[in-house]
Amino acid sequence: EPEVTQTPSHQVTQMGQEVILRCVPISNHLYFYWYRQILGQKVEFLVSFYNNEISEKSEIFDDQFSVERPDGSNFTLKIRSTKLEDSAMYFCASSEGEFSEAFFGQGTRLTVV
Amino acid sequence: KQEVTQIPAALSVPEGENLVLNCSFTDSAIYNLQWFRQDPGKGLTSLLLIQSSQREQTSGRLNASLDKSSGRSTLYIAASQPGDSATYLCAPKPMNYGGSQGNLIFGKGTKLSVKP
Repeated sequence: EPEVTQTPSHQVTQMGQEVILRCVPISNHLYFYWYRQILGQKVEFLVSFYNNEISEKSEIFDDQFSVERPDGSNFTLKIRSTKLEDSAMYFCASSEGEFSEAFFGQGTRLTVV
Repeated sequence: KQEVTQIPAALSVPEGENLVLNCSFTDSAIYNLQWFRQDPGKGLTSLLLIQSSQREQTSGRLNASLDKSSGRSTLYIAASQPGDSATYLCAPKPMNYGGSQGNLIFGKGTKLSVKP
């Protein structure tokens, strides 16, 4: 069964460093998303991406964040200068259509020290 | 702004029981609602997607209902098993999110424990 794949599963980084989280969405999906979940809290929307551009972003997704689809299969989330409060589980998701079922990856646990 | 509440926050039942998890949302203008399960430290597994025009959706032992006008959804699990132990999340997709097509808004979840 097709699945969303995220790498790495766990990343530890020093405050102020740049990190890139990688995702391979399901191959025929057109809509891509990043969500995050701080430990013990709700899953929160960050950004949605369609047709090679951001279609929606939350107030969390400030200038420190960027997304890219560098080729036909990968979808990345970059955090330019990490802060302690960026520590969270980051989930990538994809869907075939705008109102279709969203499938999530297993997440990347980001720890900023 | 859409707010999602899930009751109860935690539930412990003996194996074999039928159970109902509740989800309420404040803005009834939604495209659809999705139910997920999350195992500790893991990703989200999609269980059911119910469109705003639908009243029910079934998959195996799971049945989700949606009453959009009252802002409620329920997830019914029949004949629960220890393997059903997980946190269950509901997530409506609102029509009104910053004027765009919307995204999933999550509740805090119901942590289910099924005892053998």
